Amino acid sequence: AQKITQTQPGMFVQEKEAVTLDCTYDTSDPSYGLFWYKQPSSGEMIFLIYQGSYDQQNATEGRYSLNFQKARKSANLVISASQLGDSAMYFCAMREMAGANSKLTFGKGITLSVRP
Amino acid sequence: SQTIHQWPATLVQPVGSPLSLECTVEGTSNPNLYWYRQAAGRGLQLLFYSVGIGQISSEVPQNLSASRPQDRQFILSSKKLLLSDSGFYLCAWSLGGMAEAFFGQGTRLTVV
Repeated sequence: AQKITQTQPGMFVQEKEAVTLDCTYDTSDPSYGLFWYKQPSSGEMIFLIYQGSYDQQNATEGRYSLNFQKARKSANLVISASQLGDSAMYFCAMREMAGANSKLTFGKGITLSVRP
Repeated sequence: SQTIHQWPATLVQPVGSPLSLECTVEGTSNPNLYWYRQAAGRGLQLLFYSVGIGQISSEVPQNLSASRPQDRQFILSSKKLLLSDSGFYLCAWSLGGMAEAFFGQGTRLTVV
């Protein structure tokens, strides 16, 4: 079974508007972390935001916020006031703490295009 | 500050030739190290990870191997490349626990 599911097709958003990128996850580990990364056309992977499974509040980092719904096992990324430079591929990832080694598992990604 | 170096940036190799991609990390000790592969327009597939010198865990049976001869050096190798080995290879490091991973610039490998 997939650990991280990102099923949205390519997303489009108008510049200056907000957009939500969906991510659902599957784990039986009570302790885990959720991450979002941005990959522009250059290929580099840029860390955006982190949410711990025990965090009481949704994570925020500048224009990025994470809508964490633990019971639904979803961790959607919200980008406010979209900019042209936000056009990229976005990946959701999870790290589980079970066992001694915690691997980082990625979803398939979502392509976001910001229209001027 | 910590930095990660990965080279080469691009590589074109014939089928059946060997491969060696190198990744080094500076500014930290005993990092967890990872090799990922990304097919064109696809997600990241974890190939190998290492929590210490000489400790390698393989995620996917394949034509590749990894080694960690030094604490901050991670090498991805193949004895004979296949066409299906083409892709974008990313090295990453992280600290333990729930720390985020930091990625190198990637190597775009084309096997011809």
